[in-house]
Amino acid sequence: GENVEQHPSTLSVQEGDSAVIKCTYSDSASNYFPWYKQELGKGPQLIIDIRSNVGEKKDQRIAVTLNKTAKHFSLHITETQPEDSAVYFCAASGLRFGNEKLTFGTGTRLTIIP
Amino acid sequence: EPEVTQTPSHQVTQMGQEVILRCVPISNHLYFYWYRQILGQKVEFLVSFYNNEISEKSEIFDDQFSVERPDGSNFTLKIRSTKLEDSAMYFCASKFTGTGNTIYFGEGSWLTVV
Repeated sequence: GENVEQHPSTLSVQEGDSAVIKCTYSDSASNYFPWYKQELGKGPQLIIDIRSNVGEKKDQRIAVTLNKTAKHFSLHITETQPEDSAVYFCAASGLRFGNEKLTFGTGTRLTIIP
Repeated sequence: EPEVTQTPSHQVTQMGQEVILRCVPISNHLYFYWYRQILGQKVEFLVSFYNNEISEKSEIFDDQFSVERPDGSNFTLKIRSTKLEDSAMYFCASKFTGTGNTIYFGEGSWLTVV
């Protein structure tokens, strides 16, 4: 089955600087890669996702890049703000009609230092 | 914005007792999931449910677990005889339909088995 590795496990960044979180996956059949943000006591919330036919996607301060050959994808957050502090999970899934099972990474605790 | 709602938010139960966790998925969604997260660990897939039947389940989802959609709105996870290692946050999730649509997570039910 799919295995997703995520690094780093913790990351502290000065407010205004950029943060990068990296994930690798094992199953070459995976073709959908979402990123979730989890705040304390809450459920995972999708912040951005990318499909394998795209190499990069951007949404305001958040971007994700995908390298299918190397089987890795990364989350980039620019101009970080205190409210970006949370745990971030990457995930991978092989899209079949309708029924994606997400395999999550181990999470990165991001702390933004004011 | 529509959301997945879960009850209870927190339940403490004695080992060996039955527990039912309840979820109300987003109203027009057709795919339903349960995931769990042991404290400090990653989110793990338990089961997916579509068209009134289980479509996939993980090795965690053994005979002690069952899911049901008893009416048009609720989706439940039952653990027949709880074990200490069942203590975790359980997340319900749902998705509209088709490939690549966003999977929305609820805020979770925290289960403590004592």
